[in-house]
Amino acid sequence: EDQVTQSPEALRLQEGESSSLNCSYTVSGLRGLFWYRQDPGKGPEFLFTLYSAGEEKEKERLKATLTKKESFLHITAPKPEDSATYLCAAPLSQKLVFGQGTRLTINP
Amino acid sequence: NAGVTQTPKFRVLKTGQSMTLLCAQDMNHEYMYWYRQDPGMGLRLIHYSVGEGTTAKGEVPDGYNVSRLKKQNFLLGLESAAPSQTSVYFCASSYVRGGAGLEQFFGPGTRLTVL
Repeated sequence: EDQVTQSPEALRLQEGESSSLNCSYTVSGLRGLFWYRQDPGKGPEFLFTLYSAGEEKEKERLKATLTKKESFLHITAPKPEDSATYLCAAPLSQKLVFGQGTRLTINP
Repeated sequence: NAGVTQTPKFRVLKTGQSMTLLCAQDMNHEYMYWYRQDPGMGLRLIHYSVGEGTTAKGEVPDGYNVSRLKKQNFLLGLESAAPSQTSVYFCASSYVRGGAGLEQFFGPGTRLTVL
């Protein structure tokens, strides 16, 4: 079954404490892996697309990486404004399969 | 460039009432989608459209209908609202490359409560 699984469900860090979020997938014939950020009460905001194993993308304190089975979203020296739910998704035919998300909280 | 917009932002309905949610995009995207998001359930696809005049069922289509009469608009209808349809509804659109929809861009959401 085509599936996207994210871990952990929730993560609480202190400001400046780096960590990584995991997204594993079993979608066959993967044609990209997407990361989104969602703030409370808002729609998901597109962050990155990764197309092939070994690819990396960076934006401010975020770096996304991709292997053949999983993707990581690394957060370096996070700030409170990085608090949000982070979603990953894989394309399947004409749709996206979303993970359940990781709720990240950065305490000052 | 407004991106994806949704109307209304909030709505309260009584059981059995009907309503239509409107999604509009100004990015000339071919594909459009309607999702619902509930606590602990993640994003679930209701219906989607791969072009003007076409629609298809997603994961949770029961109780909803859609129409795509114009490329830039995608309407979601609830004919007889039920409390189980209380949710936050998101519309999204994407362009096409190689026959597959790519990055989806989301609207701000409609918060619907059915009493």
